[in-house]
Amino acid sequence: SQQGEEDPQALSIQEGENATMNCSYKTSINNLQWYRQNSGRGLVHLILIRSNEREKHSGRLRVTLDTSKKSSSLLITASRAADTASYFCATAQGGSEKLVFGKGTKLTVNP
Amino acid sequence: EPEVTQTPSHQVTQMGQEVILRCVPISNHLYFYWYRQILGQKVEFLVSFYNNEISEKSEIFDDQFSVERPDGSNFTLKIRSTKLEDSAMYFCAIKTSGGTDTQYFGPGTRLTVL
Repeated sequence: SQQGEEDPQALSIQEGENATMNCSYKTSINNLQWYRQNSGRGLVHLILIRSNEREKHSGRLRVTLDTSKKSSSLLITASRAADTASYFCATAQGGSEKLVFGKGTKLTVNP
Repeated sequence: EPEVTQTPSHQVTQMGQEVILRCVPISNHLYFYWYRQILGQKVEFLVSFYNNEISEKSEIFDDQFSVERPDGSNFTLKIRSTKLEDSAMYFCAIKTSGGTDTQYFGPGTRLTVL
């Protein structure tokens, strides 16, 4: 089964608009993390939400977690052209240290 | 955020050659990881390393792969005999403590096998 599947696969918005990306997963998790990747570059950690948390904020980012639906969302408010990147969710499960990544959402913010 | 550097940034090699990819955390960390991302695909876990030994590895991490911390600082991934399908971006990640905590990724090494 696929763990950490994001949707939409691609999202194009205008600067100033909000962007919402969703992530679904299939097994129980310890935490869920969101990362950003600019084209061909490294993964930048954005936010970690633990399984006992429902919502977290960091600057213009808001992450929610619904463990009953096995889903998470990442909201970027007042988007900027510099937010253009791919966004990945990654889950950690059970006693495992490994992160399981989704395929990502490619966000384009048009100036 | 902990800083991680990786060298080289780009490595081109011939099929069958050995490559060593290096990860240098700026400060002391206990938990190390390697992941790879084939172009256009998901980031995949390879191996985790704690207390100078492998703590977990994926099915991708076969006998062609090995990891070590040769001098207590650098963390290396060696691919003994590269194959075309090893071409990918390889990321090192570190974690400062155990349990559920953030993994911080390096900028990656792009490996091209010809």
